[in-house]
Amino acid sequence: GQNIDQPTEMTATEGAIVQINCTYQTSGFNGLFWYQQHAGEAPTFLSYNVLDGLEEKGRFSSFLSRSKGYSYLLLKELQMKDSASYLCAVRDSNYQLIWGAGTKLIIKP
Amino acid sequence: ETGVTQTPRHLVMGMTNKKSLKCEQHLGHNAMYWYKQSAKKPLELMFVYNFKEQTENNSVPSRFSPECPNSSHLFLHLHTLQPEDSALYLCASSQDGATGANVLTFGAGSRLTVL
Repeated sequence: GQNIDQPTEMTATEGAIVQINCTYQTSGFNGLFWYQQHAGEAPTFLSYNVLDGLEEKGRFSSFLSRSKGYSYLLLKELQMKDSASYLCAVRDSNYQLIWGAGTKLIIKP
Repeated sequence: ETGVTQTPRHLVMGMTNKKSLKCEQHLGHNAMYWYKQSAKKPLELMFVYNFKEQTENNSVPSRFSPECPNSSHLFLHLHTLQPEDSALYLCASSQDGATGANVLTFGAGSRLTVL
């Protein structure tokens, strides 16, 4: 079967750096997405990786290794507003999105 | 209004009630989606419409009935639901339902409680 694994919950300190990992086993690969979802709000798109390597966008970066079935989202200079759930999703060979259960990130002062 | 708007935001219904969830997108997208989000579970795709045609039905029980009158509006009609159907129902849209980056834009969801 197809599977996306990511930690259920992580805690980090304001101003620090945190890395949220995502491993996947899917039937084919056509891109990996990260979304952010604040409590009670809509998920919003953060990043898209289809080739190996690091994509940087401000304080957020996303890394992909297709050979390892692995991605991470790196958040730098953490702010309290970064407290949210982070959803990893992979598009398989049929262009179906397979979702992880999300990682709840708690930022402490 | 901009983006994807869902109404109502909260809904409580009995198992014998009939209600509908509404979704409207102002982005000019051609694909619309219904997802179910339960606590600590992955998003579950329910239905996909591409250019008003249903292209995906992920074995959803018939007590959920979608309707897509045009590319901007999507409904989810609910009847004789079960308590386990209580969840957050998310609507999303994208430029199309197939290839490319195809980023989803989500609404804030309708929180459904079935008593």
